[in-house]
Amino acid sequence: DAGVIQSPRHEVTEMGQEVTLRCKPISGHNSLFWYRQTMMRGLELLIYFNNNVPIDDSGMPEDRFSAKMPNASFSTLKIQPSEPRDSAVYFCASRSLPGTGGDLDYGYTFGSGTRLTVV
Amino acid sequence: AQSVAQPEDQVNVAEGNPLTVKCTYSVSGNPYLFWYVQYPNRGLQFLLKYITGDNLVKGSYGFEAEFNKSQTSFHLKKPSALVSDSALYFCAVRGEGGGNKLTFGTGTQLKVEL
Repeated sequence: DAGVIQSPRHEVTEMGQEVTLRCKPISGHNSLFWYRQTMMRGLELLIYFNNNVPIDDSGMPEDRFSAKMPNASFSTLKIQPSEPRDSAVYFCASRSLPGTGGDLDYGYTFGSGTRLTVV
Repeated sequence: AQSVAQPEDQVNVAEGNPLTVKCTYSVSGNPYLFWYVQYPNRGLQFLLKYITGDNLVKGSYGFEAEFNKSQTSFHLKKPSALVSDSALYFCAVRGEGGGNKLTFGTGTQLKVEL
């Protein structure tokens, strides 16, 4: 398995532009998470999905952020408009829900992240 | 609400010496505890977990962690540190009532020197 795949690896954009980050979870995983990592705030959970349905988006900073999961193999995190304070590394992670077979480790598999710089 | 505390931003150890990275947690019900490691410009990698059973769990790369319920701790240990262990280490917890949400600590930078 190729693991959790995120694209792009690096993104540099100007303030005010729309940014879309992409994630392909591990095949068979039915839970997906978006995290943001900064020096100041550490690792923050933004939103997570179970079976493509958003369960908890309380970590989404504000209305400029939105996330979708149209199917089991793809998710996007969109920032519109972007601001310099959004600069961070954004991680996607996936896992299998307990009781649904597959991975029973109860842990997550992380992607390599997208480093976003908003100038 | 569930939470994790990693009281040390950085731990410095000489190669060959034992290392400990501290973690305490707060959850409702029984905890599911994890350690992850992050190397520069990489995602988090799973090291080990405690779900139930023996309080001493062994994981990848010679690391182990001891679950202490009375002290609500889950410290990461290794008997003999290597320079290649230098990385950022995260403790994480999910409570029985915490749904599917894994809460991470702020991370501890481990530096192993010759």
